[in-house]
Amino acid sequence: NAGVMQNPRHLVRRRGQEARLRCSPMKGHSHVYWYRQLPEEGLKFMVYLQKENIIDESGMPKERFSAEFPKEGPSILRIQQVVRGDSAAYFCASSPSGLAENYEQYFGPGTRLTVT
Amino acid sequence: AQKVTQAQTEISVVEKEDVTLDCVYETRDTTYYLFWYKQPPSGELVFLIRRNSFDEQNEISGRYSWNFQKSTSSFNFTITASQVVDSAVYFCALRSGSARQLTFGSGTQLTVLP
Repeated sequence: NAGVMQNPRHLVRRRGQEARLRCSPMKGHSHVYWYRQLPEEGLKFMVYLQKENIIDESGMPKERFSAEFPKEGPSILRIQQVVRGDSAAYFCASSPSGLAENYEQYFGPGTRLTVT
Repeated sequence: AQKVTQAQTEISVVEKEDVTLDCVYETRDTTYYLFWYKQPPSGELVFLIRRNSFDEQNEISGRYSWNFQKSTSSFNFTITASQVVDSAVYFCALRSGSARQLTFGSGTQLTVLP
């Protein structure tokens, strides 16, 4: 059973470009979470999605950031017009549906975004 | 609001020493879950343990042990006879009430010297 897949693992963008980060959850998992880890900091929650629905985006910056989890295909975190402060590691996690108390979140390897 | 505090930013020990990583949490919910993750230099997050708020039994897994004390809102992690491969950043995390997302502490960088 493959784990959570994220690609690319490393992404370099110039200021003003767009960054697209992809996350394929574990097989059978229908919940996806995105977290951001700034240098020398812990992970901060960004957004929680189920298929075709954003459940909680309380951690998402108000501008330039968006996320989706379509019926088919991976979840996408999109950052428009990137700035240097967006440089970070972005982690995706997935969990199965069902009772929340009966699961762990399984993390992908992360995407390291560098904005030059 | 939920909060996790890992007051130790960096710890350095010599191989074979025991080391304890502290974690203090805050939540108003009576049902919650505590986690520890390891982040080695390669950068991925490795799940170590999950504990729910109704189970205060301490747990031991090989050289790892966890001490959960609700009275002090702490969930400390001890590595016995540390090894160089234990060098990593360790994160404590909390999931509280009906929330599904995790709240992470800022992490403790553990360096085990040969």
